[in-house]
Amino acid sequence: QKEVEQDPGPLSVPEGAIVSLNCTYSNSAFQYFMWYRQYSRKGPELLMYTYSSGNKEDGRFTAQVDKSSKYISLFIRDSQPSDSATYLCAMKRNSGYALNFGKGTSLLVTP
Amino acid sequence: GAGVSQTPSNKVTEKGKYVELRCDPISGHTALYWYRQSLGQGPEFLIYFQGTGAADDSGLPNDRFFAVRPEGSVSTLKIQRTERGDSAVYLCASSPGGGSNTEAFFGQGTRLTVV
Repeated sequence: QKEVEQDPGPLSVPEGAIVSLNCTYSNSAFQYFMWYRQYSRKGPELLMYTYSSGNKEDGRFTAQVDKSSKYISLFIRDSQPSDSATYLCAMKRNSGYALNFGKGTSLLVTP
Repeated sequence: GAGVSQTPSNKVTEKGKYVELRCDPISGHTALYWYRQSLGQGPEFLIYFQGTGAADDSGLPNDRFFAVRPEGSVSTLKIQRTERGDSAVYLCASSPGGGSNTEAFFGQGTRLTVV
């Protein structure tokens, strides 16, 4: 079993919908939680960065971390066709340097 | 430069050959990471440099893989005796410092194909 699990999708939604993406993990030592967006043939781009539990909001994006359930989520409000990409969750330990990524969820927002 | 630069963008090589992949980090970033991303998978950690030294090389799959960063800036990932299973996108990332609370910025990757 991988330390970080993420449903690869694909997930297809109409423009304007609220998108919910999530990951589960098994290692309780993870303290830093990130969401990256990756367009085809591009490198990952950091969207949200959270330390420990709680919520964080940035524009149309909200990240949630529930450490008791080992579950993290990314919500996208008013989704746009330009949001179509692969979304990767990533985590790391307090004392570590390596990011542990999920497989990524492919999102398609249709006009 | 403005971002992390990786060259070449694409590399096709024959099985058994030696390849070098280059990474130019963001100016002033002391931490540098290499990751490998296979099709349909998330990136997997290979190695982390703080300055010139490899602080963590636990992700290198075997001794055919080696990376250097001699002057604390540009890094080269070297793969000897390439195998078809080495085909993947090799991603480089850099961050301002080596602490756990610093975010990493990724380059666009080098797509390696071993035929």
